[in-house]
Amino acid sequence: GQQLNQSPQSMFIQEGEDVSMNCTSSSIFNTWLWYKQEPGEGPVLLIALYKAGELTSNGRLTAQFGITRKDSFLNISASIPSDVGIYFCAGQLGEYGNKLVFGAGTILRVKS
Amino acid sequence: DAGVTQSPTHLIKTRGQHVTLRCSPISGHKSVSWYQQVLGQGPQFIFQYYEKEERGRGNFPDRFSARQFPNYSSELNVNALLLGDSALYLCASSLEDNLSYEQYFGPGTRLTVT
Repeated sequence: GQQLNQSPQSMFIQEGEDVSMNCTSSSIFNTWLWYKQEPGEGPVLLIALYKAGELTSNGRLTAQFGITRKDSFLNISASIPSDVGIYFCAGQLGEYGNKLVFGAGTILRVKS
Repeated sequence: DAGVTQSPTHLIKTRGQHVTLRCSPISGHKSVSWYQQVLGQGPQFIFQYYEKEERGRGNFPDRFSARQFPNYSSELNVNALLLGDSALYLCASSLEDNLSYEQYFGPGTRLTVT
């Protein structure tokens, strides 16, 4: 089946630092989504990407849909303590249907 | 507006029992999907329903079944529970079943099988 390789597995950074994480796949995806999950909660949608090469921002977050459609990255600038959580990339296949394939997640810890 | 709601929040069952989990999508959303999230992993797709019809099924045994009601709410049923079924079960809704529409997740139901 399809797999997404997400890296790094975890990060422990200083408050104020920038963060970068990425996802790669052997399959082509038509949509890339980035979610954040906090303990005891469901994933919350951060950014959705629909076109190859698309670069989208949401506040301090920026994500890009790779040209090959097999990868995506998420950057967080000037991290703050509330950025702590698990970040998941998810790819969506096909033209119809909502099946999402998720990466294993990047655990982000911020030291203040 | 209310987001996706799920019930119950937590559930403890014994091996061999069955369980029913419930999901109410965001108002106006017609598509509901179910995911299983085992501790330390990303969510894994189980089912998708749109307009009461099954649109997709993940690699899960027949012990897992689901349905969608006319009001677009949904139930996930799991029979003959195994220890390995212990997980967070997530429901996600979207406006349509087209990939142009984002999916929004509920808080999940934490199922523990003993």
